[in-house]
Amino acid sequence: NAGVTQTPKFRILKIGQSMTLQCTQDMNHNYMYWYRQDPGMGLKLIYYSVGAGITDKGEVPNGYNVSRSTTEDFPLRLELAAPSQTSVYFCASSTPTSGGTDTQYFGPGTRLTVL
Amino acid sequence: DQQVKQNSPSLSVQEGRISILNCDYTNSMFDYFLWYKKYPAEGPTFLISISSIKDKNEDGRFTVFLNKSAKHLSLHIVPSQPGDSAVYFCAASRGANAGKSTFGDGTTLTVKP
Repeated sequence: NAGVTQTPKFRILKIGQSMTLQCTQDMNHNYMYWYRQDPGMGLKLIYYSVGAGITDKGEVPNGYNVSRSTTEDFPLRLELAAPSQTSVYFCASSTPTSGGTDTQYFGPGTRLTVL
Repeated sequence: DQQVKQNSPSLSVQEGRISILNCDYTNSMFDYFLWYKKYPAEGPTFLISISSIKDKNEDGRFTVFLNKSAKHLSLHIVPSQPGDSAVYFCAASRGANAGKSTFGDGTTLTVKP
């Protein structure tokens, strides 16, 4: 199993450009998440999905869009890139378990710089 | 208002000794608490969790202690190893969905040989 994969690893965008960050998991997890991590800070939830066709906003959704057409894929779209979106983006997946918290599996991250 | 705080940005410990990482929270509605470890250029990895009905959970060298009255939890690593050098994040959630956790800013642990 590859687990959670993310592409690209690095990207530099100009202000106003758009791009899609790709995320794929091969663990058949229903839940998928997008986070951003700014320097010296913890992770903040952007969007999440509990299954194909179902998405919802997290703590910091402004400037982003998501879709979930399959169980495996959960792309994150930036429409008009702004310097404030410079960050490291992590995708994660999990499946509910009986008793206790679900275990999240994270991808390696995409480092995005907007100039 | 930061609901989960890790007040020590860094901690340095000698190999073989105990590492104690601390975390404070303000929201009394949190009922699950998690610790993640993160190496540079990698995603976080789940380490250990505890629910609010317990005050201790142990997994090998890692033990998490929860003090609900003080709204404080700590992660103990015994004995510490150089491979434990990483950033450790504390997270807290309302309910068992770890994905909607609130994260602290992390503590960088350095274990010296």
